Amino acid sequence: QVELVESGGGVVHPGRSLRLSCVAAGFTFSTQAMYWVRQAPGKGLEWVAVISYDGTNTYYADSVKGRFTISRDNSKSTLYLQMNSLRDEDTAVYYCAKDEGYYGVWSGYLIYWGQGTLVTVSS
Amino acid sequence: EVVLTQSPGTLSLSPGERATLSCRTSQGVVSNYLAWYQQKPGQAPRLLIYGASSRATGIPDRFSGSGSGTDFTLTISRLEPEDFAVYYCQQYGSSPPYTFGQGTKLEIK
Repeated sequence: QVELVESGGGVVHPGRSLRLSCVAAGFTFSTQAMYWVRQAPGKGLEWVAVISYDGTNTYYADSVKGRFTISRDNSKSTLYLQMNSLRDEDTAVYYCAKDEGYYGVWSGYLIYWGQGTLVTVSS
Repeated sequence: EVVLTQSPGTLSLSPGERATLSCRTSQGVVSNYLAWYQQKPGQAPRLLIYGASSRATGIPDRFSGSGSGTDFTLTISRLEPEDFAVYYCQQYGSSPPYTFGQGTKLEIK
C-alpha cells in the first residue's frame, strides 16, 4: 500500500534553514506529482507547493515563494522541501501528499497523505 | 488566488442527523475542481470527495458532494460517531497555487 514518511522536522531559530524529506513507497513515485501542505498548531490546512512528476514544474504559495524550494529525487523515491529564511509563522506540521494523476496530467487533489513532521521556528 | 470560505465554522449535531457543510469560492472553480477532506485529531487529512461530487475509494455513500461555480456542499446523510471531525474544502481549478478553506468543525451535540 501507499506509504509516505516525512522527516527532518525540529526546532530552528528564525532566519535559519531546514530541509524536510518524504520517502515514498507502494507506488511508482517517478510518475506522479507531489505536494507539501502545512498546518500551524490549532489552525487549518495551507497548501504550500507542488512539483511535477519529473521535477520540471514547480509552484508555490505566495507565503513561501522565494524562501522554500520543492524538489525530488526519483531514484530515491524521495520528495524534499528546502526551507530558508524561516519565520515564526512557518511553525507547523508539514505533510507530504500524493497526486492521483500520472506524468504531465495531475489531478490537483491529494489522494494520500503522510503523517507529517513538526517544524518549530523559535528563538 | 482563489479564496474559499466555509460555513458554518462549527456545526453541532447528533448521531443520526443530517449534516450540510458549505464552501463558497471567490471565483468560479474551473470544471468543478473542488475536493473535500476529513481530518480527525492527531491524524492526517483524508480525501472524501473530488470533482465536487465523486467519492474517493472506500468512502461510505452517506457522504455526498454537490454544487458548481462558486457554491459547493458536502452532505453527510446520517451521522455516525466516527464522522465528527474537521472538514476542509480545496479548489484545484486552473493553475496552482491551490487553496483550502478554513475548515468546518463538526461536533457532537
